[in-house]
Amino acid sequence: GNSVTQMEGPVTLSEEAFLTINCTYTATGYPSLFWYVQYPGEGLQLLLKATKADDKGSNKGFEATYRKETTSFHLEKGSVQVSDSAVYFCALSRSGSARQLTFGSGTQLTVLP
Amino acid sequence: SQTIHQWPATLVQPVGSPLSLECTVEGTSNPNLYWYRQAAGRGLQLLFYSVGIGQISSEVPQNLSASRPQDRQFILSSKKLLLSDSGFYLCAWTPSGGNTGELFFGEGSRLTVL
Repeated sequence: GNSVTQMEGPVTLSEEAFLTINCTYTATGYPSLFWYVQYPGEGLQLLLKATKADDKGSNKGFEATYRKETTSFHLEKGSVQVSDSAVYFCALSRSGSARQLTFGSGTQLTVLP
Repeated sequence: SQTIHQWPATLVQPVGSPLSLECTVEGTSNPNLYWYRQAAGRGLQLLFYSVGIGQISSEVPQNLSASRPQDRQFILSSKKLLLSDSGFYLCAWTPSGGNTGELFFGEGSRLTVL
């Protein structure tokens, strides 16, 4: 079946540090890949997505590239801010359907001033 | 624009008591609706989804149930809560037409069962 494995947290960084949160997946065929973010006390919201191999999703300074050869979708940001403190979830959809989204366990990021 | 709201935001209930969490969507018609649970330190688990009034699909057997009495209303219920029901419950919606895989989430309801 489909699965998503995320880097274990929590991750603590200083402001302006470089961020990488690893995500690898197992799925047949060509899933769509997503990163969702959950700010404290809120629901999740879509951060970025990629629907085919070599696509790069980007938003708010975050980027992730769909690597089929390594089955990965690592999230990166060159310079994090305190306001980026949140939980980040990697997810895949085998068919592009939200009904069939598989989420990773989430990675807590804390950015210190 | 579309909005989604769920309530209550927090709830503390004793074991064996009933539960009702409500979710409403505004600004769209015939959405697909979802209930997820997020247990501490774990990912999201899809509990129920609905493609229309009275149409509910259960993903995980448990003592929870869901109902959709109106097009944009989705309710999560339990007759008798268990300690293991504690968690953060999230309602979400997607358009019924095109499906990009993007879910739109509500603010969440934190349930603590004592």
